[in-house]
Amino acid sequence: KQEVTQIPAALSVPEGENLVLNCSFTDSAIYNLQWFRQDPGKGLTSLLLIQSSQREQTSGRLNASLDKSSGRSTLYIAASQPGDSATYLCAGFTSGTYKYIFGTGTRLKVLA
Amino acid sequence: ETGVTQTPRHLVMGMTNKKSLKCEQHLGHNAMYWYKQSAKKPLELMFVYNFKEQTENNSVPSRFSPECPNSSHLFLHLHTLQPEDSALYLCASSRGSGGEREQYFGPGTRLTVT
Repeated sequence: KQEVTQIPAALSVPEGENLVLNCSFTDSAIYNLQWFRQDPGKGLTSLLLIQSSQREQTSGRLNASLDKSSGRSTLYIAASQPGDSATYLCAGFTSGTYKYIFGTGTRLKVLA
Repeated sequence: ETGVTQTPRHLVMGMTNKKSLKCEQHLGHNAMYWYKQSAKKPLELMFVYNFKEQTENNSVPSRFSPECPNSSHLFLHLHTLQPEDSALYLCASSRGSGGEREQYFGPGTRLTVT
C-alpha cells in the first residue's frame, strides 16, 4: 500500500530563511507529483506539478524536484515570508493505484 | 465565478438528517473528485467521475451517495451519517482523470455530524 511521509511535520522559522520540505513515498513508482498549499479551514491551492517527463518545476520563489528512483520529492522555498505560513501537502500519482495519494502535510509558520 | 466552488461552506446535521453538498467547476474540466479530509489524516479520495461516469469508488459507505449530472456539477448526498463522518469535504476537478492532469480544489464544506 502506497504511503506518503512528509518531513518535518511542523516548522517554525524567522522571515528570510530558505526552506526545504520533504516528501517520500513507500512505492517509488510515481508517475507524477503535485505540491499544494492549504490555509487553515480552506481548500488546496496547487503550487507545482511535476509531470512524468520532468524532474523539477519552478514558480517564483518555489522549486520542486522529484527523484523517481528513490521516490522522494523536495519543495524549496527561497527567502520565506510570513505570507508563506500554511500547510504544504504533496500528492503523488502512482501507476499502481492510478490515483493521487496525499501526505499528511508540513505545517509551516514564518515569523516576522 | 471562477475556479471550483462548493456550497454550503459549513453544515451541521443530525444523524437522521438528509443533506447534499454541491460542487461546481467553471474551468471546462472533464473529471471531478470528492475527497474527505479528517484531522491529522491524509486526504482520502472518495469518488472520481470522468465525463459524468463514475470511475472510482474508494470503498465509501453507502450513506454517501454521489451524483454527477454533467461535467460541471457534482453532488454528494448524505444520509444517516455518523459522528466520525465529521470532516472537511473537498471537491476537485481536472482536465482528465489521468495523473498527468493538475487538480484544482474548491474551498471545501466543513461538515459536523451531531
